[in-house]
Amino acid sequence: AQKITQTQPGMFVQEKEAVTLDCTYDTSDPSYGLFWYKQPSSGEMIFLIYQGSYDQQNATEGRYSLNFQKARKSANLVISASQLGDSAMYFCAMRERASKIIFGSGTRLSIRP
Amino acid sequence: KAGVTQTPRYLIKTRGQQVTLSCSPISGHRSVSWYQQTPGQGLQFLFEYFSETQRNKGNFPGRFSGRQFSNSRSEMNVSTLELGDSALYLCASSLVPGGNNEQYFGPGTRLTVT
Repeated sequence: AQKITQTQPGMFVQEKEAVTLDCTYDTSDPSYGLFWYKQPSSGEMIFLIYQGSYDQQNATEGRYSLNFQKARKSANLVISASQLGDSAMYFCAMRERASKIIFGSGTRLSIRP
Repeated sequence: KAGVTQTPRYLIKTRGQQVTLSCSPISGHRSVSWYQQTPGQGLQFLFEYFSETQRNKGNFPGRFSGRQFSNSRSEMNVSTLELGDSALYLCASSLVPGGNNEQYFGPGTRLTVT
């Protein structure tokens, strides 16, 4: 059965520093996708980045990059040069081939000025 | 291009009543998924529709139902509301279901059951 684990309930980071949000997953399906979403206090879920299980390179989208370590079943999100607007809940999610998306419990990131 | 819209944004209902929530996907998107978000349970998948057919269903009681129309708009219905149904209900759309298709979320409907 698919499972997503985020072990950091909350994190505080100084503005302009880089931050890594941890995510581990478990699946027996060789074909799957990994997603990261940001949820500000307004409640809307914002898609950040996607990594496919067969992708050879780590995904990057602007200041976001996904550190994909397949053998360790790890898909950490790295935010470079953090900004005050990055303060939000961050969710890691996974989807197997034709299955539903499941979400981790989330990490609340707070950026200090 | 307009994003995913959900109506209403806020709703207050009484135990035992029923409620219908609506979701309009991004133009051209044919897959719609629904999620329930609560502080205790986090984000939980309710169901997914594609071409008016339910493709996947989460572990929710039969009081929770949904449907999709030919224009891809979707509705979800909760009958005989319970206090525990108070939650943020999020709808997400994608071009087609599965794989690496990005899901774009709407702003959600915050349901309060009293």
